[in-house]
Amino acid sequence: EVQLVQSGAEVKKPGESLKISCKASGYSFTRYWIGWVRQMPGKGLEWMGIIYPGDSDTRYRPSFQGQVTISADKSLNTAYLQWSSLKASDTAMYYCACTIVGATAWDYWGQGTQVSVSS
Amino acid sequence: QSALTQPASVSGSPGQSITISCTGTSSDVGGYNYVSWYQQHPGKAPKLMIYDVSKWPSGVSNRFSGSKSGNTASLTISGLQAEDEADYYCSSYTSSSTYVFGTGTKVTVL
Repeated sequence: EVQLVQSGAEVKKPGESLKISCKASGYSFTRYWIGWVRQMPGKGLEWMGIIYPGDSDTRYRPSFQGQVTISADKSLNTAYLQWSSLKASDTAMYYCACTIVGATAWDYWGQGTQVSVSS
Repeated sequence: QSALTQPASVSGSPGQSITISCTGTSSDVGGYNYVSWYQQHPGKAPKLMIYDVSKWPSGVSNRFSGSKSGNTASLTISGLQAEDEADYYCSSYTSSSTYVFGTGTKVTVL
């Protein structure tokens, strides 16, 4: 059974760093893209970027380039999303997703990680 | 890259059909047959409903169907049911080798 299990909710202060995770199981981690999606409170879904764990090819949406870092550890079957200096505007739910049934269809999703940033 | 444009809300009575549009550009929707649709209930993760414009993932009802013409894709829900009440998002692959979501549509079953 394919599963993406994300790390738990985080409460941080502005300026702090953070790395959240997405652990994959039930499929060949290195063969399928993983993406990260932001959903701000009461708002829509936004693609942040994607990574191909096989060779760490990473692509960011322009508005997220330089704001976050996406990475993957093949030995742990885990993808990561990290911030070096959080802002209050980073408060959101973050989802990871992977493509298996079709190369561009995001068919499996993690349960989401709530990130709250407040002073 | 701007979000794809969807109507903010669409409503219908049980048993009726509704259609949600998703308008982009030749750099995304119009340029690739890689449009997918997602259903999101409150507090839940999105669920893939349609991919590659008109294909069904395993387990998804064929009451949901997709199509595309030019820069606009559409999702039709036939035989509307109470459980279909949710937010729906389109997504497209883009010429920048990334993806873009639509603005989202709230479907209300009257």
